[in-house]
Amino acid sequence: LAKTTQPISMDSYEGQEVNITCSHNNIATNDYITWYQQFPSQGPRFIIQGYKTKVTNEVASLFIPADRKSSTLSLPRVSLSDTAVYYCLEDTGRRALTFGSGTRLQVQP
Amino acid sequence: GAGVSQSPSNKVTEKGKDVELRCDPISGHTALYWYRQRLGQGLEFLIYFQGNSAPDKSGLPSDRFSAERTGESVSTLTIQRTQQEDSAVYLCASSSVGGGVNSPLHFGNGTRLTVT
Repeated sequence: LAKTTQPISMDSYEGQEVNITCSHNNIATNDYITWYQQFPSQGPRFIIQGYKTKVTNEVASLFIPADRKSSTLSLPRVSLSDTAVYYCLEDTGRRALTFGSGTRLQVQP
Repeated sequence: GAGVSQSPSNKVTEKGKDVELRCDPISGHTALYWYRQRLGQGLEFLIYFQGNSAPDKSGLPSDRFSAERTGESVSTLTIQRTQQEDSAVYLCASSSVGGGVNSPLHFGNGTRLTVT
């Protein structure tokens, strides 16, 4: 199964931009890169997905370089409610998805 | 509309007993996943169902674990002869295809299993 690498934890303050980078050293040609967010006592929820370049939605932006060996999730102007665990995945569909340990983001006031 | 529903939300059982956990996926979702999450850790893949294909059981940790799914509806995860190390949150997710573009996973809130 595909394996990604991301930092274990990050700290930030309210109002700052947070960038979480994930390594995809063995990503397959057909894989999309997907990020999920998990709050305590809840299941993860989908944030954003992309294949190459930049994708933006109402929650976040996702930057993927041309070689697709990494991806960066960007959260603009974080608030306390963005404190959560963030997971990056490689997703080709029709295959079991592997979640790693994720990045635990702690936002301070 | 209704999301993924899991029951029970909490289960306390004695070591050695069998437990059955239930997952009701979103209607029409062909793919269904079970994951295990120990306290403070990431998600551990257990099993994946996709339509009528043979399930991917590669993540089941031992033969005490099994899962079934009837068609594209309810799934049950059974743990026989529970051990204390089975204590965890068991999460179920479904998607319209096996993940991928425009078909993300939708998770339930899990069943918290405690084996005493």
